Amino acid sequence: SQQGEEDPQALSIQEGENATMNCSYKTSINNLQWYRQNSGRGLVHLILIRSNEREKHSGRLRVTLDTSKKSSSLLITASRAADTASYFCATDSYGTYKYIFGTGTRLKVLA
Amino acid sequence: EAQVTQNPRYLITVTGKKLTVTCSQNMNHEYMSWYRQDPGLGLRQIYYSMNVEVTDKGDVPEGYKVSRKEKRNFPLILESPSPNQTSLYFCASMGRPDEQYFGPGTRLTVT
Repeated sequence: SQQGEEDPQALSIQEGENATMNCSYKTSINNLQWYRQNSGRGLVHLILIRSNEREKHSGRLRVTLDTSKKSSSLLITASRAADTASYFCATDSYGTYKYIFGTGTRLKVLA
Repeated sequence: EAQVTQNPRYLITVTGKKLTVTCSQNMNHEYMSWYRQDPGLGLRQIYYSMNVEVTDKGDVPEGYKVSRKEKRNFPLILESPSPNQTSLYFCASMGRPDEQYFGPGTRLTVT
């Protein structure tokens, strides 16, 4: 298996703080995506970064990508209780549409 | 409303009894995929389809079949379910740019 890995597995912060989670992967990629999942429900797409991009922003989200280290980070700024969820990174294998998801980071934001 | 629907949402069955989980999308997406989610393992791709009559194996295809006879439908078939196929299953479709839309999930228990 070529499972990606997220770090940390779980993160607990206070409302208003920033949350950073990391993802490592193993193969060359076309792009990397981050998804959010609320308690066993379907995943929701957050942001996509292409292999030739290094940083991308969307609202309170900032994603970085380092292809030399095969790693990415997701920063959520000024977190809210509603951000409590699991976050997954997903990569495609270069030249295919086969997707590999990480094991996820469980984020808990305390009000 | 753009959506991916799955049926049934919950299913309890016995070993060896063939079952089908249906998946349908209304976004005219060419790409569809099935995943299973197990605790500690994240999401793993079972099969994906680039278009009608085109399917390919994901990371964990053993014990599953799929078919893609129409663009909007992508059923998952378990010919002879076993207890190790007890899992939460998600169907997804993908348009451009490479953003996957997930269904609400099907929780399958095989006894």
